[in-house]
Amino acid sequence: EVELVQSGAEVKKPGESLRISCKASGYSFTRYWIGWVRQMPGKGLEWMGIIYPGDSETRYSPPFQGQVAISADRSISTAYLQWSSPKASDTAVYYCVRRAESYYGFDFWGQGTRVTVSS
Amino acid sequence: SYELTQPPSVSVFPGQTARITCSGDALPKQYAHWYQQKPGQAPVVVIYKDSERPSGIPERFSGSSSGTTVTLTISGVQAEDEADYYCQLADNSGIYWVFGGGTKLTVL
Repeated sequence: EVELVQSGAEVKKPGESLRISCKASGYSFTRYWIGWVRQMPGKGLEWMGIIYPGDSETRYSPPFQGQVAISADRSISTAYLQWSSPKASDTAVYYCVRRAESYYGFDFWGQGTRVTVSS
Repeated sequence: SYELTQPPSVSVFPGQTARITCSGDALPKQYAHWYQQKPGQAPVVVIYKDSERPSGIPERFSGSSSGTTVTLTISGVQAEDEADYYCQLADNSGIYWVFGGGTKLTVL
């Protein structure tokens, strides 16, 4: 059974570095793209970026390029989303998603990680 | 461009048919996919490649495409279908991915 299990909620002050994780199981981690989707409070879904764990090729949505870093550790089947200096505007729920094999969509979603950035 | 436009809200009575549209210039060239998100939950794909239904999704969910518009149709709407629905597509290279703004389906 495919599962994406995300790390728990985070509360950070602006400027404190932050990394959230997404552990995959039930499939070959290196064969599927894994992405991240943001949902700000009361708002819609926004695609942030995606990584192919097989070779670490990464693509970012333009608004998020340079603002976050996506990485993956093949040895533990885990993808990461990282901020070096989070801002209050990064407060949101973040979902990791698996890109489907046969189409450019997302067939499995993590449960979401709530991030709060506040002074 | 890869912008997708959805109506903010759709309301229907139980048992009626709900139709949620998604419009965009890229839709004649790219497949669209639909996600259902209930409050406090992660989204779930309900239709992929315009009209394919994943296993486990009720038959009352269907999708269609015509020109620059794709439509998610829910026949015989049930109270449990009340949720936000999002369309999504990506370009052929998987470089640009976009979601529509979402439609809140209210079952009256």
